Amino acid sequence: AQKVTQAQTEISVVEKEDVTLDCVYETRDTTYYLFWYKQPPSGELVFLIRRNSFDEQNEISGRYSWNFQKSTSSFNFTITASQVVDSAVYFCALSTIGGSYIPTFGRGTSLIVHP
Amino acid sequence: GAGVSQSPSNKVTEKGKDVELRCDPISGHTALYWYRQRLGQGLEFLIYFQGNSAPDKSGLPSDRFSAERTGESVSTLTIQRTQQEDSAVYLCASSLVWGLADPLENEQFFGPGTRLTVL
Repeated sequence: AQKVTQAQTEISVVEKEDVTLDCVYETRDTTYYLFWYKQPPSGELVFLIRRNSFDEQNEISGRYSWNFQKSTSSFNFTITASQVVDSAVYFCALSTIGGSYIPTFGRGTSLIVHP
Repeated sequence: GAGVSQSPSNKVTEKGKDVELRCDPISGHTALYWYRQRLGQGLEFLIYFQGNSAPDKSGLPSDRFSAERTGESVSTLTIQRTQQEDSAVYLCASSLVWGLADPLENEQFFGPGTRLTVL
């Protein structure tokens, strides 16, 4: 069985603050993929990143960065210098061959960035 | 290029009625997925299609739910005798292929969803 836990239900910050969204996953598969999606108020999920289990390098894309740690089964997402447009629900997801590659999603973290 | 579209965007229905939700995937995408998102919850996988074949229907919540797909295009999700617990946003996604032969081809593109409210 596979599981994704996003313990933070809602985070509220003021613009320009840094914020980290936590994601912890469980799987018995040794090959798996981790994802982050953004769901703005319009409702359409937007793909942000995919990382496979063999690549533990951290990644930075503009103000976004991801920290993948297999030792703690975590794939955390940090937004630096947050902006109001970052307000959205963020989902972490896991997909494995054992799960037929169908992503298992966490419950999401609602990020509210105040001006 | 058009993305994934879904219709209607909102649907309000009375308990016991049947509803049909439609998804138009990105042209050329062979894989299509249906998810349900209840208020404050994550995405719950319902069913996927590879072409017009649905290899695994075990994610459908009950026999009131069914889905079909015409060729590699439009898919419809039908809910019969709707119940209040069916109220949710139903999201559709498509990808170039199914599986992770090439992760770049497997990336799912989501539609805006259909918000279903059962009174």
